[in-house]
Amino acid sequence: NAGVMQNPRHLVRRRGQEARLRCSPMKGHSHVYWYRQLPEEGLKFMVYLQKENIIDESGMPKERFSAEFPKEGPSILRIQQVVRGDSAAYFCASSRDNREVLEKLFFGSGTQLSVL
Amino acid sequence: KNEVEQSPQNLTAQEGEFITINCSYSVGISALHWLQQHPGGGIVSLFMLSSGKKKHGRLIATINIQEKHSSLHITASHPRDSAVYICAVLRNYGGSQGNLIFGKGTKLSVKP
Repeated sequence: NAGVMQNPRHLVRRRGQEARLRCSPMKGHSHVYWYRQLPEEGLKFMVYLQKENIIDESGMPKERFSAEFPKEGPSILRIQQVVRGDSAAYFCASSRDNREVLEKLFFGSGTQLSVL
Repeated sequence: KNEVEQSPQNLTAQEGEFITINCSYSVGISALHWLQQHPGGGIVSLFMLSSGKKKHGRLIATINIQEKHSSLHITASHPRDSAVYICAVLRNYGGSQGNLIFGKGTKLSVKP
């Protein structure tokens, strides 16, 4: 009964390259959330997706960042033309419910992105 | 000023001590979460509160909606409790269910 799976665990990119971060939610979960944790800062919400739909992207930077959650396969957070400031830990969480208030979020182990 | 403030930032305790971590927030909320982030980085959801008190094993979480304050207590602390404890709130206006505002965390170290 696998939990939320994120890969890769560590990702190194040079400035200007693209970064693709993957998140497979828990079995039976159709809601995915992405969060970013910058060094020495707290977690910040980025985006909330359901299958094939972006529900809330109010935390996503306006440029270079995009997210998707296709009908088949994992959710992808894509960062184009990475810069050093994108270096952070990126966490994915999933839930089964679409209730107004979640009882519990299940988190992945995160992807540590380092931009050289 | 951050919308969610935690205190203390760092806490060192001896094994067996009773520990309290505080969280104050400045916005109206629907719910408050307590999370635990392990030294390896993994995050575990401990509690979701909208009122009152919840208990799970040696962990107790309370919330006072009027005072906009929550506390996380650990009884009979153990070195394996060493982690960063994070408070997160869901605003009761705007935003979606996962659009949480996080505190910066309290780093707890329990010495044997």
